[in-house]
Amino acid sequence: KAGVTQTPRYLIKTRGQQVTLSCSPISGHRSVSWYQQTPGQGLQFLFEYFSETQRNKGNFPGRFSGRQFSNSRSEMNVSTLELGDSALYLCASSPGGLMDEQFFGPGTRLTVL
Amino acid sequence: GEDVEQSLFLSVREGDSSVINCTYTDSSSTYLYWYKQEPGAGLQLLTYIFSNMDMKQDQRLTVLLNKKDKHLSLRIADTQTGDSAIYFCAEEGSQGNLIFGKGTKLSVKP
Repeated sequence: KAGVTQTPRYLIKTRGQQVTLSCSPISGHRSVSWYQQTPGQGLQFLFEYFSETQRNKGNFPGRFSGRQFSNSRSEMNVSTLELGDSALYLCASSPGGLMDEQFFGPGTRLTVL
Repeated sequence: GEDVEQSLFLSVREGDSSVINCTYTDSSSTYLYWYKQEPGAGLQLLTYIFSNMDMKQDQRLTVLLNKKDKHLSLRIADTQTGDSAIYFCAEEGSQGNLIFGKGTKLSVKP
């Protein structure tokens, strides 16, 4: 079974631009969660999508948004990029139950110049 | 609030045991987790413990849970150079997410 895949793996953008990251979950998984990892703040929860609906949300500004498609693939968008948005963005998929193990992808490394 | 704390660095010699410690705040967490992150990779679930257990052993890994003190530890026996990585402790958040510590970087010297 293929694991969680994230594209692109690396991305360089400039301040003010917007970016879209993609996550393909493990086949059959219906939940996709997104996390931001920075050296200063560590791993922080962005949001979770289940069956095309945002089920949970962390404490990030509205510039961070996401969506999920009918095949469970998810995209995350960040608008008006700031230097502080430079981070490793990880997505995790699970079957969808609250206690289900989350499987993480390798992440997308975003650098904002 | 929800918070997980762990020391940032640990250095051991190959063959020794490593003990990584973590304290958490949310006593309602049903499970507590240990994840491993190798350079350039995502997070890999190493092991987890149910909150009603005191100890769980899985091959070279031993997890100890002191629920009264909200203290969790991960012991790696016979540590190998391949165990060098960042180890994250995590509890369940109120939003169905995971709350992670900042990670402990384990360096194993030959």
